[in-house]
Amino acid sequence: EIVLTQSPATLSLSPGDRATLSCRASQSVSSLLAWYQQRSGQAPRLLIYDASNRATGIPARFSGSGSGTDFTLTISSLEPEDFAVYYCQQRSNWPWTFGQGTKVEIK
Amino acid sequence: QLQLQESGPGLVKPSETLSLTCTVSGGSISGSSHYWAWIRQPPGKGLEWIGSMYYNWKTYYNPSLKSRVTISVDASKNQFSLNLTSVTAADAAVYYCAMQPLGSFPADWGQGTLVTVSS
Repeated sequence: EIVLTQSPATLSLSPGDRATLSCRASQSVSSLLAWYQQRSGQAPRLLIYDASNRATGIPARFSGSGSGTDFTLTISSLEPEDFAVYYCQQRSNWPWTFGQGTKVEIK
Repeated sequence: QLQLQESGPGLVKPSETLSLTCTVSGGSISGSSHYWAWIRQPPGKGLEWIGSMYYNWKTYYNPSLKSRVTISVDASKNQFSLNLTSVTAADAAVYYCAMQPLGSFPADWGQGTLVTVSS
């Protein structure tokens, strides 16, 4: 099973700040990695697929990069609605797995 | 736009079977380009992929749950279901159903349903 390790566990930032979230895979997943946002009490929302492609309706301030084992989600300027938990997920090897999440909280 | 809605008992006794249904609207469950998935999230914890069913009804189960899980479909009702046997407290979670396009990631999710395991 591929293990995805996200860092940091918590990111304390202010609106307007740049957020950089990391996801590292225990073995190569090529570009078969996605990022999700989960607000409290809601289902996850797909932000980025195949490492760097924004999903439909996702604002341009969200961007993804990386391949192989190291991936980054960047939020260029945090809006109030961006404070949430973010998960990465791979679909390279079954079972599909998620990282443990990074919480982006208001500083 | 595709919509998914989970339904089922919110309380299950230990050792019994958890049964949930996902009703799909806005599209056919028999489409040839989708996987139908169950994913769960224990309270305050991360996400775990339980299993997926392909359009030809072939199923894929997480090895950690494989001996207890069954995913099935009722195409006439545009529904797919999850059965998880011999539940314990560790199976308490919010259970989500989702649609995963072939070759991509799930963008359509149900709102989730909380299942508690208690006698």
